[in-house]
Amino acid sequence: EVQVVESGGGLIQPGGSLRLSCAASGFTVSTNYMTWVRQAPGKGLEWVSIIYSGGSTYYADSVKGRFTISRDNSKNTLHLQMNSLRAEDTAVYYCTRWADYWGQGTLVTVSS
Amino acid sequence: DIVMTQTPHSLSVTPGQPASISCKSSQSLLQSDGKTFFYWYLQRPGQSPQLLIYEVSNRFSGVPDKFSGSGSGTDFTLNISRVEAEDVGIYYCMQRIQLPITFGQGTRLEIK
Repeated sequence: EVQVVESGGGLIQPGGSLRLSCAASGFTVSTNYMTWVRQAPGKGLEWVSIIYSGGSTYYADSVKGRFTISRDNSKNTLHLQMNSLRAEDTAVYYCTRWADYWGQGTLVTVSS
Repeated sequence: DIVMTQTPHSLSVTPGQPASISCKSSQSLLQSDGKTFFYWYLQRPGQSPQLLIYEVSNRFSGVPDKFSGSGSGTDFTLNISRVEAEDVGIYYCMQRIQLPITFGQGTRLEIK
């Protein structure tokens, strides 16, 4: 069964850093396109980042230069390193396998 | 960026009646290989989005046949043949032919 489970969210002060993880099962992260999508409270869906199976990475303009997507092939896990966090980064962050299978999400709250 | 515009923003449907949601993209989603990278999702209250329809008209695994998708190029439609209480939530369209991946603003479906 295909499953992705996010972790690592929490309350962080503006300017701080957080690393999200996404543990995958039922498929291999490294041979799939993997994405992060976020949803601010009461708002719609916003694509954040993608890592292709070949390793290329791309980011939304709103997070470029601050967020880094990566994967740990040995642990079949996807990560999102988030630096210089801002209040507007507050959202539920979803890990998806090329937008077909989604996790339950992890909440990131940026507030002082 | 490709803009995805959904209509209506919300709809209220009597159980057993049909429902229809439209999504228009600002650019064609038809790729040179003949595939159209257009998708429909349902986000039930308190849950993560789930894929309903991929590549315009293909139902994802486990999705009941009361859901159907149609359209081409820039105009797409999701039809629900008989609405039930479990169909309540927000429906999103999405394109992934071009980065950034973009979503419609969502259509909220409620039961009368």
